[in-house]
Amino acid sequence: GQQLNQSPQSMFIQEGEDVSMNCTSSSIFNTWLWYKQDPGEGPVLLIALYKAGELTSNGRLTAQFGITRKDSFLNISASIPSDVGIYFCAGLPYNNNDMRFGAGTRLTVKP
Amino acid sequence: SQTIHQWPATLVQPVGSPLSLECTVEGTSNPNLYWYRQAAGRGLQLLFYSVGIGQISSEVPQNLSASRPQDRQFILSSKKLLLSDSGFYLCAWSSGTEAFFGQGTRLTVV
Repeated sequence: GQQLNQSPQSMFIQEGEDVSMNCTSSSIFNTWLWYKQDPGEGPVLLIALYKAGELTSNGRLTAQFGITRKDSFLNISASIPSDVGIYFCAGLPYNNNDMRFGAGTRLTVKP
Repeated sequence: SQTIHQWPATLVQPVGSPLSLECTVEGTSNPNLYWYRQAAGRGLQLLFYSVGIGQISSEVPQNLSASRPQDRQFILSSKKLLLSDSGFYLCAWSSGTEAFFGQGTRLTVV
């Protein structure tokens, strides 16, 4: 099945800094999803993207669906301590069945 | 609104014992259903997905099996657990445009 390459694997930043992470794939996806997972919890959906080139915001979070439909990025502006967690990208292909995830980006925010 | 229930939240089982984890979805019909496993500090490994009752696709040959006896019920099972089956198991459902997760089951095989 399709594999997603998510980077960076981990980030250590100061509170107030901006964060950027991305996902790339060798295959085309119809939908890109971004999740955040807190320890011991299931991932929570942050942003969903449905069209190539689409740029969507959710508060301090902004995500974009790449023009080639093979990549997506997530930006977090002015990070705060509660942004700590693991962020996952996910792709849904045309047949909508084989949902794949990136390996995650572990974010640490130092106050 | 749609909700997903997964239980139990934690489970400690001896090696060689059977396993049954259940996941149910409310508020939607004919969802795609998924079971993932997550090792500590790692990503999500797709184990099984289902597009309908009785339809199961297996991603990784292993000691586990899945069944979908009803439209909104997805069960993960094992006849004999191995130590390597320990992990965090997550159920998810998808409408095709979004996907949502249960709270997960922390399984420890001892």
